[in-house]
Amino acid sequence: DIQLTQSPSFLSASVGDRVTITCRASQGISSYLAWYQQKPGKAPKLLIYAASTLQSGVPSRFSGSGSGTEFTLTISSLQPEDFATYYCQQLNSYLLTFGGGTKVEIK
Amino acid sequence: QVQLVQSGSELKKPGASVKVSCKASGYTFTSYAMNWVRQAPGQGLEWMGWINTNTGNPTYAQGFTGRFVFSLDTSVSTAYLQISSLKAEDTAVYYCARSPSITMIVRSRYFDYWGQGTLVTVSS
Repeated sequence: DIQLTQSPSFLSASVGDRVTITCRASQGISSYLAWYQQKPGKAPKLLIYAASTLQSGVPSRFSGSGSGTEFTLTISSLQPEDFATYYCQQLNSYLLTFGGGTKVEIK
Repeated sequence: QVQLVQSGSELKKPGASVKVSCKASGYTFTSYAMNWVRQAPGQGLEWMGWINTNTGNPTYAQGFTGRFVFSLDTSVSTAYLQISSLKAEDTAVYYCARSPSITMIVRSRYFDYWGQGTLVTVSS
């Protein structure tokens, strides 16, 4: 299986901060990576697919980059509604896997 | 609009079975794959597998063979997850999630719509 390692696992930030989350794959996955946001008690929500394509309706302050084994999710200016847990997911292997998650909390 | 509506919470005893439903609306059910994802309390997301809603062919991830069965009733646009011989460690929220490709081609294996989740609690 392809393992995904997210860092940091926990992040404390303020409204307006620029936030970057990293996802590293145990082997190359081209650009076959998605990012999700999950708020407590809610289902995950798709933010980005194909590493950098913004899902329809997702604010432009979210962006994704990377290819191969290293990927980043960036929130350009953190808003109150962005405090949540973020997961990456690799799509390259037929056995899909998620990263362990990054919890973004209010500083 | 696309909606996936799952059945309600379940409380089951060890050894029992449970069947979770996921009713789709707002799109052609048999044109998109359906996935199942588990989230244990306080834990991350774990992909369980998927079912081709056109052929009914299921694919199970490692660790989800034997006691887990994916099925469909296309007449009512509903996917099902059945878990038998329940154990305490099956306690989790189970999500259905759609992929925008019936065959799960690599570039479209992400999950664009999710059900609200069904909490299954296994306790004596």
